[in-house]
Amino acid sequence: QQQVKQSPQSLIVQKGGISIINCAYENTAFDYFPWYQQFPGKGPALLIAIRPDVSEKKEGRFTISFNKSAKQFSLHIMDSQPGDSATYFCAASNGGFKTIFGAGTRLFVKA
Amino acid sequence: DSGVTQTPKHLITATGQRVTLRCSPRSGDLSVYWYQQSLDQGLQFLIHYYNGEERAKGNILERFSAQQFPDLHSELNLSSLELGDSALYFCASSATTGMNTEAFFGQGTRLTVV
Repeated sequence: QQQVKQSPQSLIVQKGGISIINCAYENTAFDYFPWYQQFPGKGPALLIAIRPDVSEKKEGRFTISFNKSAKQFSLHIMDSQPGDSATYFCAASNGGFKTIFGAGTRLFVKA
Repeated sequence: DSGVTQTPKHLITATGQRVTLRCSPRSGDLSVYWYQQSLDQGLQFLIHYYNGEERAKGNILERFSAQQFPDLHSELNLSSLELGDSALYFCASSATTGMNTEAFFGQGTRLTVV
């Protein structure tokens, strides 16, 4: 019940394409769903986050879509750029005391 | 720069030894979290401290312990080290009691047990 399942494990996208990463959770007590971006040799950094009272949140080229009934959420990266190549982690938090991370998706954007 | 400082950046030690990893949170942040990231693994939550008190425990082994000091810096102690403990250890901090607001990660300590 505490798992967050993330797919795909790796993703290759052409420059200018759309990158889509999906996550699913089971615990309905989760109330905060952040996405983190991690470059090699660096710590994860918050990219964008959503709460379950909205179905979509957009920040620049990054959009989170949230489906509460299906307990799924996804990250869309529009107009993907080589600089977006990184590992992306979805996460879920229940009141904040414990954040569960997905296994990560390695994104490579081909120039 | 996230404002979270972890030392050392790299650590190589032998099996059976004990090491201490240090984390200085962002100025003003009261919460400190420790995560373990093994090769090709996601981030595994270890433990959370808020203002000196332990608030939540994750998959932390009994050989591991942590504390947060009055100046809010935190230390993660790993003892009786095994080869499988080789990993990146991240510390994160946030202003509130939980990570339902932005949490900032340090650059990690890479531990290699040989």
